[in-house]
Amino acid sequence: AQTVTQSQPEMSVQEAETVTLSCTYDTSESNYYLFWYKQPPSRQMILVIRQEAYKQQNATENRFSVNFQKAAKSFSLKISDSQLGDTAMYFCAFMRGTDKLIFGTGTRLQVFP
Amino acid sequence: GAGVSQSPRYKVAKRGQDVALRCDPISGHVSLFWYQQALGQGPEFLTYFQNEAQLDKSGLPSDRFFAERPEGSVSTLKIQRTQQEDSAVYLCASSLSQGLGYTFGSGTRLTVV
Repeated sequence: AQTVTQSQPEMSVQEAETVTLSCTYDTSESNYYLFWYKQPPSRQMILVIRQEAYKQQNATENRFSVNFQKAAKSFSLKISDSQLGDTAMYFCAFMRGTDKLIFGTGTRLQVFP
Repeated sequence: GAGVSQSPRYKVAKRGQDVALRCDPISGHVSLFWYQQALGQGPEFLTYFQNEAQLDKSGLPSDRFFAERPEGSVSTLKIQRTQQEDSAVYLCASSLSQGLGYTFGSGTRLTVV
């Protein structure tokens, strides 16, 4: 069975600084997708970034980028120029082909002014 | 609609009461998912629909949980004889194509007292 592990329950960063959130996963599949979702207090899960496993190039979306290490089964999220609005829970998620999303336990990120 | 709409936003139920949670997905989205998110945890898969067909219900925790999507759009998650352990946020998500990730609603917070 696939599992997703987020080893940092809480992280904090000062506004304008850079922070990296860790995620590792376990799978025997070769074709899959990885996601980072943000969940603010409003509870809505917001897609931050996605990565297709067959692509070697790391995905980037504005201030958000990933470091995808397929052999190590690692998928970390880097947030540059952190903003107060980035304060939220962040969930790493795995999806095999056309199957369901499997989430980690989340990392609570606090951005301080 | 522009997003995934869930109602009610909050529901308090007495133990033993039946509840029905509604999800209105994005128009045209074929896939619809229900997730259960316990306090401090990541969302866990409950069930999946493709149009009106329920293709996977392996995550439903007991036969007290039932989901339907009779016309391939709006979905209802029903919980019979609610118990305290059913207290959680129930998230609905829809997708046009699974590899792109899902769009989530803001969830229904169910509290069983």
